[in-house]
Amino acid sequence: SQTIHQWPATLVQPVGSPLSLECTVEGTSNPNLYWYRQAAGRGLQLLFYSVGIGQISSEVPQNLSASRPQDRQFILSSKKLLLSDSGFYLCAYSGTGNTGELFFGEGSRLTVL
Amino acid sequence: GEDVEQSLFLSVREGDSSVINCTYTDSSSTYLYWYKQEPGAGLQLLTYIFSNMDMKQDQRLTVLLNKKDKHLSLRIADTQTGDSAIYFCAETEDYGQNFVFGPGTRLSVLP
Repeated sequence: SQTIHQWPATLVQPVGSPLSLECTVEGTSNPNLYWYRQAAGRGLQLLFYSVGIGQISSEVPQNLSASRPQDRQFILSSKKLLLSDSGFYLCAYSGTGNTGELFFGEGSRLTVL
Repeated sequence: GEDVEQSLFLSVREGDSSVINCTYTDSSSTYLYWYKQEPGAGLQLLTYIFSNMDMKQDQRLTVLLNKKDKHLSLRIADTQTGDSAIYFCAETEDYGQNFVFGPGTRLSVLP
């Protein structure tokens, strides 16, 4: 069966520190992978998506970057965090069934102080 | 660009029906989804509907699609306290790509 995991679940970081959030998918090959951010009381903002290894598309200019070093691994990074980077980050992949829906990880809550 | 709108809050009494509404702008939407997010968790797919359907029923859930008005609704019958969550409407034109999410409707179920 297909599963998706992301970690860490909770992170508190000072302004200016680096960030690395990791997401892995199991049970599927060559998935489309996504990073979303959900700010408090707001909807989902698509940050990055990837259709293959090394292929990253960015939806909005920002302080973050993404990488896909392996087929089923998607990493969200920052060299220097800003206060505005605080939020709930969700990794997702699109399924291969006939409904095309997204499957989401458990989420990573980042607080920048 | 494409846009999906939802009201942000809805309160209902336990046992009543809940109706969550969504409007979208992309006339090429092919797949439309309802996701549920419980506190501190990721999103889980509740149900979906293809654009060539008008209605879909799945136990307590009924989805209605009005393509002419670009309006999607989710009805939850006999709403329970466990239904309290944020409900997201989402659409995509391309299978498995370019999802557009609404801001989410926070459903509160009162005893």
